[in-house]
Amino acid sequence: EAGVVQSPRYKIIEKKQPVAFWCNPISGHNTLYWYLQNLGQGPELLIRYENEEAVDDSQLPKDRFSAERLKGVDSTLKIQPAELGDSAVYLCASSLGGRALDEQFFGPGTRLTVL
Amino acid sequence: QKEVEQDPGPLSVPEGAIVSLNCTYSNSAFQYFMWYRQYSRKGPELLMYTYSSGNKEDGRFTAQVDKSSKYISLFIRDSQPSDSATYLCAMMYTGGFKTIFGAGTRLFVKA
Repeated sequence: EAGVVQSPRYKIIEKKQPVAFWCNPISGHNTLYWYLQNLGQGPELLIRYENEEAVDDSQLPKDRFSAERLKGVDSTLKIQPAELGDSAVYLCASSLGGRALDEQFFGPGTRLTVL
Repeated sequence: QKEVEQDPGPLSVPEGAIVSLNCTYSNSAFQYFMWYRQYSRKGPELLMYTYSSGNKEDGRFTAQVDKSSKYISLFIRDSQPSDSATYLCAMMYTGGFKTIFGAGTRLFVKA
């Protein structure tokens, strides 16, 4: 069974440019998470989807970050404009959904470098 | 003060050693405690989870939770070079969906 797929794996952009990350969760997983992981830190939740509904976006910096999960499957996370401090790994995770203790399966992440 | 504190290491041990990894936390509302392993350039993967206080064993791994001290541990017996990774503790409130991660401890097991 394929795991969580993320693309691109690496992205280098200049500050003030837009960037987008794509995630394809495990088939059948209704819950999708986007996390931010800074170097030497643990993941921090940005947004959680149940199907196509964003049920927790309290940690998403909405002035520059946006996310969507059309049709409740794939998801895209966008930053516009990017700042130097956005350099980090952006992780996507998915779980079956409906229960807090459903195991989260993580993708390999997209490593963003903002110059 | 962070809700979850974890020594970033690095921790270097010889092959076959017993490894002890630890986290402390400040919020007594945490009820679910997890350990994730993260290899370089990969996402975290769940190793074990425990509910409330007590021990849980899975092969060479043992997780311990001491809620009275707000202290959790992961023990790795007979450590192998393939265990070299970053180990993240994580916690969750009862009824909540948000997972709070520690910063992770980098472990190196030398052959």
